Amino acid sequence: NAGVTQTPKFRVLKTGQSMTLLCAQDMNHEYMYWYRQDPGMGLRLIHYSVGEGTTAKGEVPDGYNVSRLKKQNFLLGLESAAPSQTSVYFCASSYPTPQTSGRTHEQYFGPGTRLTVT
Amino acid sequence: DQQVKQNSPSLSVQEGRISILNCDYTNSMFDYFLWYKKYPAEGPTFLISISSIKDKNEDGRFTVFLNKSAKHLSLHIVPSQPGDSAVYFCAGRLADRGSTLGRLYFGRGTQLTVWP
Repeated sequence: NAGVTQTPKFRVLKTGQSMTLLCAQDMNHEYMYWYRQDPGMGLRLIHYSVGEGTTAKGEVPDGYNVSRLKKQNFLLGLESAAPSQTSVYFCASSYPTPQTSGRTHEQYFGPGTRLTVT
Repeated sequence: DQQVKQNSPSLSVQEGRISILNCDYTNSMFDYFLWYKKYPAEGPTFLISISSIKDKNEDGRFTVFLNKSAKHLSLHIVPSQPGDSAVYFCAGRLADRGSTLGRLYFGRGTQLTVWP
């Protein structure tokens, strides 16, 4: 049981290049999320998905696109990378949890992808 | 504007003593609060959570206290151990109305160092 995995671990891009970050989870979670973390900042939600074929914008969606073609995978795309997108990107997943479920409402995070745009 | 604030970027505590990490929030609609621990080059891992209708939750060495009137919560670690040295993030959960989805809003984190 690998949990949440992310590919690649590191990447350096030149301004204007494109790339796709891959997130995979083997816990059969319905919900998946992409966050970015910048120095001295907390994690900020980029996009999220509540199920296969559905995606929605988070706090900082500009410059990113996502797709969820399979339940276990969530892809984050940068069409034209900018230096402001230099960051560490984390993927997470979770079960649907009703407020009164007594569950912890935790999200399970991957190890991160460190992206540098020069 | 940040809805969850951790105003202390760092905290240094001697092994065996109590560590107290603080967190303030502005959104009274948060229904849960979660604490995550993060080691370098790893993803955040869940530590403990508390419902907004509770004032205390305890799990082993970790206790979270919630003061809703002050919009403040704190994480107590007793006794502190060197392995607790990590960045601790506080997060508030905002549920989408009529949905089981909840978005997390994170503070900037506090670096805890526990020295022998």
